[in-house]
Amino acid sequence: DARVTQTPRHKVTEMGQEVTMRCQPILGHNTVFWYRQTMMQGLELLAYFRNRAPLDDSGMPKDRFSAEMPDATLATLKIQPSEPRDSAVYFCASGLRNNEKLFFGSGTQLSVL
Amino acid sequence: QKEVEQNSGPLSVPEGAIASLNCTYSDRGSQSFFWYRQYSGKSPELIMFIYSNGDKEDGRFTAQLNKASQYVSLLIRDSQPSDSATYLCAVVGSSNTGKLIFGQGTTLQVKP
Repeated sequence: DARVTQTPRHKVTEMGQEVTMRCQPILGHNTVFWYRQTMMQGLELLAYFRNRAPLDDSGMPKDRFSAEMPDATLATLKIQPSEPRDSAVYFCASGLRNNEKLFFGSGTQLSVL
Repeated sequence: QKEVEQNSGPLSVPEGAIASLNCTYSDRGSQSFFWYRQYSGKSPELIMFIYSNGDKEDGRFTAQLNKASQYVSLLIRDSQPSDSATYLCAVVGSSNTGKLIFGQGTTLQVKP
């Protein structure tokens, strides 16, 4: 049963610490999206990749967030330094370029104290 | 103006009724439209997609698209308590990059 795998599921950290979230897309998928979900803002697009190349990261705070795909099986989202306002659920989703249907991971619940 | 707008609800319907969920979008050149369902504490899952004007039916679900009016809707017939969830409208814009933008979601409550 193919699925998107995200780690960790939960992360509690203190303000100023570095946070790294990881995502393993479904094998064969060539697009990867990172979204952040909060009650106030809903699902916000942070960044997305096609064939490992970043296509758009305009939704991401550049001074503290970074997203990479070191290889086709791993996408990472880093926050350094983290702030309380970064507390949210971070979802990774993958898909195939030509049909645009996305499959979501279970998310990382981040709490920054 | 947000790119994709939905009424946050909650929309409350009795069991067995038709639930109607609506979504409007700002990019007139948008080509692909999706409905995702998200149960509380879970991740979104795709339930419907539509690319052409008109209706598309899948079981109890019907997606409707009107590009001239820039709206897309989802009808759920014979609503069940298990349909209670947040329904997210998502749109791929005209930039041809595959960028998928979500609305805020509408919370549906189906009362037994």
